[in-house]
Amino acid sequence: GAGVSQSPSNKVTEKGKDVELRCDPISGHTALYWYRQSLGQGLEFLIYFQGNSAPDKSGLPSDRFSAERTGGSVSTLTIQRTQQEDSAVYLCASSLGAGGPTDTQYFGPGTRLTVL
Amino acid sequence: GQNIDQPTEMTATEGAIVQINCTYQTSGFNGLFWYQQHAGEAPTFLSYNVLDGLEEKGRFSSFLSRSKGYSYLLLKELQMKDSASYLCAVRAPGSARQLTFGSGTQLTVLP
Repeated sequence: GAGVSQSPSNKVTEKGKDVELRCDPISGHTALYWYRQSLGQGLEFLIYFQGNSAPDKSGLPSDRFSAERTGGSVSTLTIQRTQQEDSAVYLCASSLGAGGPTDTQYFGPGTRLTVL
Repeated sequence: GQNIDQPTEMTATEGAIVQINCTYQTSGFNGLFWYQQHAGEAPTFLSYNVLDGLEEKGRFSSFLSRSKGYSYLLLKELQMKDSASYLCAVRAPGSARQLTFGSGTQLTVLP
C-alpha cells in the first residue's frame, strides 16, 4: 500500500480484557516496529521484526504484551489482561530493512487505546 | 542507557527562523533522525544525520556534532502549518534498529 496502515484507529476496552492491534506495513518493507506513545511522553520502543529473524522483544514492558508477524507482512500486537496504564497510542512503523543508518522508519496513524 | 533531551515548548512568529536543539547521551550511535508530528497524527520523517555537519532540505536543515552529542533542527520562513511537535530520535548501532526518542518539542507558530 501507499503507507503504513493500522486498525482500529480507536479502541476502548475494560480493564482485564484482551486487545489485538493490527499493522499493515508498506509493501516491500522487511522491517516492522511497534512503539507506544503515552500522553506527554516520547515514543517508547516495544518490539522489532526483521524478515524471518527472531524478533527483538527487548522493549515489551511485561509478559502481557506479545506480537507476531505472519508471512513477513501484517503484524498483530496483543495485550492481555489490559490495565489502565496501558492506555496510549500504539504506533507501528516499517522500513526497507536494508541496513545502514539511513534505513528510515515510516509510521502509521496509530491506534489510540483507552482502558477504562 | 539512553537519554535524549529537547526543550518541551517553543514559540516563534510566522516568517521567522527557529532552532530546536537536541542533546543525547546514548550507549551507541548510528544516526539521528528528526520527525514532525501534528496533533493526533503519525510522526512524519523530516531528516537524518549520520556524519557531522549540516544537512539542508528546503526550509528545514539539521545539524549534527557527534563529539558533543548535539543536534539541531533549523526551520526557516516559518509557516502556520509548521506548528507541531518535533521529535529527535537516535538509532543504536549494530543489529538494533529501533529508535530512541526524545519527548518532543511542541512548536507554536504565531501570526
